[in-house]
Amino acid sequence: DAGVTQSPTHLIKTRGQQVTLRCSPKSGHDTVSWYQQALGQGPQFIFQYYEEEERQRGNFPDRFSGHQFPNYSSELNVNALLLGDSALYLCASSGGKLTDTQYFGPGTRLTVL
Amino acid sequence: AQSVTQPDIHITVSEGASLELRCNYSYGATPYLFWYVQSPGQGLQLLLKYFSGDTLVQGIKGFEAEFKRSQSSFNLRKPSVHWSDAAEYFCGAGFQGGKLIFGQGTELSVKP
Repeated sequence: DAGVTQSPTHLIKTRGQQVTLRCSPKSGHDTVSWYQQALGQGPQFIFQYYEEEERQRGNFPDRFSGHQFPNYSSELNVNALLLGDSALYLCASSGGKLTDTQYFGPGTRLTVL
Repeated sequence: AQSVTQPDIHITVSEGASLELRCNYSYGATPYLFWYVQSPGQGLQLLLKYFSGDTLVQGIKGFEAEFKRSQSSFNLRKPSVHWSDAAEYFCGAGFQGGKLIFGQGTELSVKP
């Protein structure tokens, strides 16, 4: 049974560019959450998708947007990249209940130059 | 405001010694609480989780945590640390809506 998978593993972009990160949830999970983890910090919640809708959003600007597909996989898009967007982006999947355990993928390391 | 605090940024213990990592949360109601571990370059692995019931929770790899409502704490313990336990440990809380809030993390180093 595959766990949560994310692609790509690493990504290098320049300021002002746009990036798309992808996540496939664990089998049987229908909820996907995205987190940003800056170096030396704990993960910060970006948003959560359930039934193809954004269910909750953290304190991130509109440059951060997402999508969930009918097969429950998800994308995170970041526009107009800033140097401060450099971080490890983690995807987590869970069942539909809000208290279900979130299982994390290995992350995508984004570097903005 | 909802917050989670891990007071210790870095802890070093000798192999075989006991371990306690501290965690405090701030919230009006009791959230569900958890501890994750992160090895270098890896995602987060769940060690244990508390939602309700028995305040002493057993997890994987010999870890346990105790929820103390009066102290708003959820400290992680292990009676005997192994070299492979060296990693970053994150305490966190889940609130209404499914959002997880994490502490800053505690880096654990293990001396031989």
